[in-house]
Amino acid sequence: QVQLQESGPELVKPSETLSLTCTVSGGSISNYYWSWVRQSPGKGLEWIGYIFHSGHTDYNPFFKGRVAMSVDTSTNQFSLRLTSVTAADTAVYYCARPTTAAAGPTDFHSWGRGILVTVSS
Amino acid sequence: QSALTQPPFASGSPGQSVTISCTGVSSDVRGYDFVSWYQQHPGKAPKLLIFEVNKRPSGVPDRFSGSQSGNTAFLTVSGLQAEDEADYYCSSYAGTVVFGGGTKLTVL
Repeated sequence: QVQLQESGPELVKPSETLSLTCTVSGGSISNYYWSWVRQSPGKGLEWIGYIFHSGHTDYNPFFKGRVAMSVDTSTNQFSLRLTSVTAADTAVYYCARPTTAAAGPTDFHSWGRGILVTVSS
Repeated sequence: QSALTQPPFASGSPGQSVTISCTGVSSDVRGYDFVSWYQQHPGKAPKLLIFEVNKRPSGVPDRFSGSQSGNTAFLTVSGLQAEDEADYYCSSYAGTVVFGGGTKLTVL
């Protein structure tokens, strides 16, 4: 049973960079499309983007120019960087994995518990 | 792909059935339909209920079922139980991922 765990600073200052890491345990990071999804307080789910184990990425156009994802297969981790954050980026950030390997982010079967990141000075 | 449209609220009494719609889904370039549904209780991570329109992951009760007609997907919850009270989200993958705005289901 794969498990995902988000980690990183829970408080980020406006205009700075949000950096989070997702650690995958109980399974390999290979052959899956790993996504980041966020949820602003009281709002719905928002897909940020995905990274494949090869390093191939695709991002939600809403975040393009501000987002970057990376993967480290040696540590079974992948990461999110979101630059120039504002209060609107305050949200619970989740990492997630689909049901099926190598098929794209077709769904989100496994989720981390989420980490609340607050953007505030 | 634009955001998907869900009704903001739905309700039903215990034992009844409720159907939630999700409009705006589309197929990927190969013609496959990747519609999924999630249940989210307050303070918890979403839980996958349905994938690929109508498939249930292991452990999800068969009270939850999915279907699709044209560009609208549906989640039906049969035999409503108190613990079904939650937010429900649809999602579609057709080259990119979009979510619906969510439906708050109340069990009366």
